[in-house]
Formats: sequence, structure tokens, C-alpha cells
Amino acid sequence: DTGVSQDPRHKITKRGQNVTFRCDPISEHNRLYWYRQTLGQGPEFLTYFQNEAQLEKSRLLSDRFSAERPKGSFSTLEIQRTEQGDSAMYLCASSPSRTGTEAFFGQGTRLTVV
Amino acid sequence: GDSVTQMEGPVTLSEEAFLTINCTYTATGYPSLFWYVQYPGEGLQLLLKATKADDKGSNKGFEATYRKETTSFHLEKGSVQVSDSAVYFCALSDQAGSNYKLTFGKGTLLTVNP
Repeated sequence: DTGVSQDPRHKITKRGQNVTFRCDPISEHNRLYWYRQTLGQGPEFLTYFQNEAQLEKSRLLSDRFSAERPKGSFSTLEIQRTEQGDSAMYLCASSPSRTGTEAFFGQGTRLTVV
Repeated sequence: GDSVTQMEGPVTLSEEAFLTINCTYTATGYPSLFWYVQYPGEGLQLLLKATKADDKGSNKGFEATYRKETTSFHLEKGSVQVSDSAVYFCALSDQAGSNYKLTFGKGTLLTVNP
């Protein structure tokens, strides 16, 4: 098992463009989380999936953001009409439901909006 | 809402010095508490955890005790090494909810000099 995998690792985009990130969780983990981390801050919760169902979304997740997890496996996070304020590290984490609280993180996708 | 406050860095120590990074929290219910570490160029890794009052989490020489009366979870290590240089994040998971999302502190940068 290679852990949580995120792709791409880095993305530079022009303001107004759409971007999509992918997360592949650890295979037996049915919970998947997206977080955002800006410079000098801790990660902030964005959204959570239990299998394919998106069960919670933070107020940080504006209408320009959408996340999916078809078939309860990998997940995608799309940002439409990117803004400079979207520049951040986007982290994905997964956990098995039986232990509940121990989350394993990917290395993140660093987004720069120019 | 839930929140975590941790000692702001940066913290610079000499090798073999004693380390304390303070962490206090505010939460409803009975949260689980965590320390995550982020080494340069790597993703977040779980360092240790405690799930109930008076529990002590420990790993790699680091320790933290869940103190409900002071709502604290301070990280300690008796003798730090250069390889401990990293950013340390205190976090909580409010088990009163159904999804165990993590709330993080802002992180503390530790630099250990030889």
C-alpha cells in the first residue's frame, strides 16, 4: 500500500480558469476528507465523504468548489473560475471507519493562481 | 465551535535540549487529541494521539498527556535531535459528530541545530 496519493503535486493556473485535483485514498478506507492549508496556518476542513456520499461541507467551500467520490474510491475536487485567494495547499486524507479518528494524509496539491 | 491554540514558533533548540510545545483546546463533548508532524517536503504524519482524559500518547520519544481539567495536550520530548526539525500541529476530533473531522492549530516550526 502506497498511502494516500494526490495528483498533481503542483498546479499553476491563471485566474478564472477551472482546475481539478485527484485523490486516491488508502484502498480499504471508506472515509475521505479534503482540507485546505494556507501559508502559516493549519489545515482547514473542507468536506467529507463516507463511501460515495458527501456528508458534510464546510462554509469555506463556496459554490465554485465541488467534490465528488464516484463509486466510493478516488475523489476529485474541482475549483471553477479560480481566484488568487484560492492559492493554497489542498490536502486529502482517508481513514477507516472502524478506528474513526486516525486520518492518513496525502502530500497535497499546491495550487498557485496567477 | 471547536478550536485549537498552540504555541507560536518558530522554536529553535540545540540538539539534546528539552522540548515543550503547548497546546490548548476548546470543544464540545469529549474530543480525541492528536499531534501531527510535517517534515520538509512531506505530508502530514500522525505522531501520537490520546482518546480520553489522562491518556498519554507516545511515539519516537515524544509524549503528550490529555488533560481535561486544563483542556491541554502539550507535546514534550526529553532530548531532541536534528531530525526532529519539522512543523508540529496539534489537532482535535470532536467525536460528538459523526465524521470525526479534524480541527488543527496553526502549527509550530521547530528547528534543531547540531
